[in-house]
Amino acid sequence: DQQVKQNSPSLSVQEGRISILNCDYTNSMFDYFLWYKKYPAEGPTFLISISSIKDKNEDGRFTVFLNKSAKHLSLHIVPSQPGDSAVYFCAATEAAGNKLTFGGGTRVLVKP
Amino acid sequence: DADVTQTPRNRITKTGKRIMLECSQTKGHDRMYWYRQDPGLGLQLIYYSFDVKDINKGEISDGYSVSRQAQAKFSLSLESAIPNQTALYFCATSDSATGRAFFGQGTRLTVV
Repeated sequence: DQQVKQNSPSLSVQEGRISILNCDYTNSMFDYFLWYKKYPAEGPTFLISISSIKDKNEDGRFTVFLNKSAKHLSLHIVPSQPGDSAVYFCAATEAAGNKLTFGGGTRVLVKP
Repeated sequence: DADVTQTPRNRITKTGKRIMLECSQTKGHDRMYWYRQDPGLGLQLIYYSFDVKDINKGEISDGYSVSRQAQAKFSLSLESAIPNQTALYFCATSDSATGRAFFGQGTRLTVV
C-alpha cells in the first residue's frame, strides 16, 4: 500500500508555461515533505521542501503548496524550461531527518 | 568528487550468485539508506542505518542484507540474486537536522 502517490506518471508542457505536479499521501503522521528531481543516469537531487506548519514554500521558479486537510501537496514550476525535463519524486517523512517515503515519480517533458 | 559514491555503477550477475554493492560518503552524515527504483514504483527503502550500530529493515528487505562497516560506509548484499532483483539501486545519506537526503549516482543491477 503506497503511502505517497503521484497519480500522473507523465506531464508535457510548453516552455515558459507552468508545470504543476501533484502528490497525495495517506499517513497523517507525515509532517515534512520534499521534492526531488532526477535526470537519467544520475541520483535524485533535492529540490525543495516544506514543513507541515507551512502551506507554501517558494524558491525561485519552484513553489510547493501543502494542503494538510486534503493530504495533498503540489509543486509548481514557473516558467518551465527545457532543462526542467526530468523525473520528479515527492517524498514524505514523520520528522525531518527520518527515513523518507517516496512516490512513484512524474516524468516532466518541457517542449521548446 | 561525489559526496556519495556507489560501486559498481553497472553489474550483470547470474541467478543464485552473491553480490555486494558498496557505498561510501564524505558528507559526515550518520544516517545512510539503500533504496531500489523500479519503474512506476518510485524509490522503495530496503534498509537504513542511523549510526554504525543501528540497522533497520525498510519496506522491501527480503532477499537483502546490509553491513555498516563505518560511519562512511554502508554496503548492500544480495545473498542469492534472483531476476526480480534487477533494478536501479541508490545509496543515500541524510542530514538529521534538515532531513535532506543526498543520493549516489546509482548502481544498475541486472540478474540473468
